[in-house]
Amino acid sequence: EDQVTQSPEALRLQEGESSSLNCSYTVSGLRGLFWYRQDPGKGPEFLFTLYSAGEEKEKERLKATLTKKESFLHITAPKPEDSATYLCAVQAGDTGNQFYFGTGTSLTVIP
Amino acid sequence: DAGVTQSPTHLIKTRGQHVTLRCSPISGHKSVSWYQQVLGQGPQFIFQYYEKEERGRGNFPDRFSARQFPNYSSELNVNALLLGDSALYLCASSLSDTQYFGPGTRLTVL
Repeated sequence: EDQVTQSPEALRLQEGESSSLNCSYTVSGLRGLFWYRQDPGKGPEFLFTLYSAGEEKEKERLKATLTKKESFLHITAPKPEDSATYLCAVQAGDTGNQFYFGTGTSLTVIP
Repeated sequence: DAGVTQSPTHLIKTRGQHVTLRCSPISGHKSVSWYQQVLGQGPQFIFQYYEKEERGRGNFPDRFSARQFPNYSSELNVNALLLGDSALYLCASSLSDTQYFGPGTRLTVL
């Protein structure tokens, strides 16, 4: 069964304290892995798409990496405005375009 | 460019009623997907439509149905509402693999 697990569930960081969020997955035939940011009561905001092991993408203080079994979202020197829930989703080759989401990591950055 | 739009923003219904949620995709996007997100959980896939055809269905009861119109907009219908249907309903549109989400419709069933 296709599964996506994110850890930790919640993370509190001091402003400037770098860390990483983890997304591990078990799917048959990964087509793509996606990272989204979601603010309370709003729709997920697209961040990155990763397609193959070894691929990396960067945007401002965020960097996403992909291996054969997991992805990491690295946050460098976070600011309070980075506080949000970060969602990971995978698209499996045998299920068309369906996205399987993890439950997310709730990040709080304290000034 | 306008993103994905959804209406209404909020909705309150009582058990047993019917609800229709609407979604307009990003211009040029032909695929629309619907997700249900319960508080504290990740979005759960309900349906995907492409060029008015159903391309995928998640593990939801037959009370849930959807359709896509010639202009690629979409409706999600839920019949015989239950308390457990209370959630944020998200619509996403895509051109290829990446899905772009709308702001959602918050449905509360009393």
